[in-house]
Amino acid sequence: AQSVTQLGSHVSVSEGALVLLRCNYSSSVPPYLFWYVQYPNQGLQLLLKYTSAATLVKGINGFEAEFKKSETSFHLTKPSAHMSDAAEYFCAVSDRSGAGGTSYGKLTFGQGTILTVHP
Amino acid sequence: DSGVTQTPKHLITATGQRVTLRCSPRSGDLSVYWYQQSLDQGLQFLIQYYNGEERAKGNILERFSAQQFPDLHSELNLSSLELGDSALYFCASSVVGQGFEQYFGPGTRLTVT
Repeated sequence: AQSVTQLGSHVSVSEGALVLLRCNYSSSVPPYLFWYVQYPNQGLQLLLKYTSAATLVKGINGFEAEFKKSETSFHLTKPSAHMSDAAEYFCAVSDRSGAGGTSYGKLTFGQGTILTVHP
Repeated sequence: DSGVTQTPKHLITATGQRVTLRCSPRSGDLSVYWYQQSLDQGLQFLIQYYNGEERAKGNILERFSAQQFPDLHSELNLSSLELGDSALYFCASSVVGQGFEQYFGPGTRLTVT
């Protein structure tokens, strides 16, 4: 079974500082990996995804993530935090199983990391 | 705006009751997923439909059921509600299941009293 572990339920940074949110996954085959962001009282918005193309993936709002198979990690980074980045971030994994090589696509989420940005 | 709509936005009901949550996927998306978000369980996959057929099941209780209609909208039915069913219920849609990102609706917040 797949699983996702996000290290740190809360991360606090100063405005302008590096943001690093950690995600490790467990999967028997290389999975698809995603980062989503959830602002208060809103749904989840896709930040970026890894689907076995480039290992360094660039997303929206200046975020990027690097897929490291040897470390089973997919950490999310942003060079300079902005106040508007304050939100909860979820790492998710989707399998590749299913008939005909297609994936059913269901997402398994980590527990989430709340990012606080201080002025 | 993701293009996925969910109604109602809020729902307050009593234990033992039955409710129906509705989801309209993005135009052209054939796959619909339902997720439950609660403080103790986090975000959990409930069920997936693809073009009207059930495709995958997750941790969905027997008291819960879902369907996808010919116009591709989906409904999640929750019956014999318990206090522990209080949660945010999200619907998401994607073009197809494999590797394609899912677009989430704003959610329905269910409160069972």
